[in-house]
Amino acid sequence: NAGVTQTPKFQVLKTGQSMTLQCAQDMNHEYMSWYRQDPGMGLRLIHYSVGAGITDQGEVPNGYNVSRSTTEDFPLRLLSAAPSQTSVYFCASRPRQESNQPQHFGDGTRLSIL
Amino acid sequence: AQSVAQPEDQVNVAEGNPLTVKCTYSVSGNPYLFWYVQYPNRGLQFLLKYITGDNLVKGSYGFEAEFNKSQTSFHLKKPSALVSDSALYFCAVRDRGGVTGGFKTIFGAGTRLFVKA
Repeated sequence: NAGVTQTPKFQVLKTGQSMTLQCAQDMNHEYMSWYRQDPGMGLRLIHYSVGAGITDQGEVPNGYNVSRSTTEDFPLRLLSAAPSQTSVYFCASRPRQESNQPQHFGDGTRLSIL
Repeated sequence: AQSVAQPEDQVNVAEGNPLTVKCTYSVSGNPYLFWYVQYPNRGLQFLLKYITGDNLVKGSYGFEAEFNKSQTSFHLKKPSALVSDSALYFCAVRDRGGVTGGFKTIFGAGTRLFVKA
């Protein structure tokens, strides 16, 4: 049981490049979320999904796209990378039933935009 | 606006002494409350949560948290700190289903705990 798996662990991009951060979970969780972590700002929600085919924007969605074609996968796409998107990105999941359940986090993708 | 405040960027404590990491929140209704811990180069790990009932909640690794409704606080505590407790700690709240429909979790900025041997 791997939990939440994020790839790659590290990535360096040039301004204007695009890329996809991968997230997969094997716990059959309906809810999945993407966060970015910046020093002194905690975790900020980028996008989230409550099930396959359903996504919605979080607090800081600009510059990012998501899709949810399967329960297991929730990729995050950077359309045209900007230095302001340098951050650590975390994917999280939790079961749909009982909204008091904690989230399970991946180990993050450390992204640097030059 | 809904928010979570962790007023201390860093907490320093000697090994064996009790520790407290503070958290206050401003969320309508009666939210669920969580504490997570993050070790270097790792994701957040769940420590404990408050749903309802007893104001003192016990969690993993000897941690506990005290819920105070009137002060809207949820402080993390441990009677005797270990060097291995040194990490980044996050407080988080989740609406039970109001405006956000119980979907979104709001995180504090984090408090770095440093336990000195």
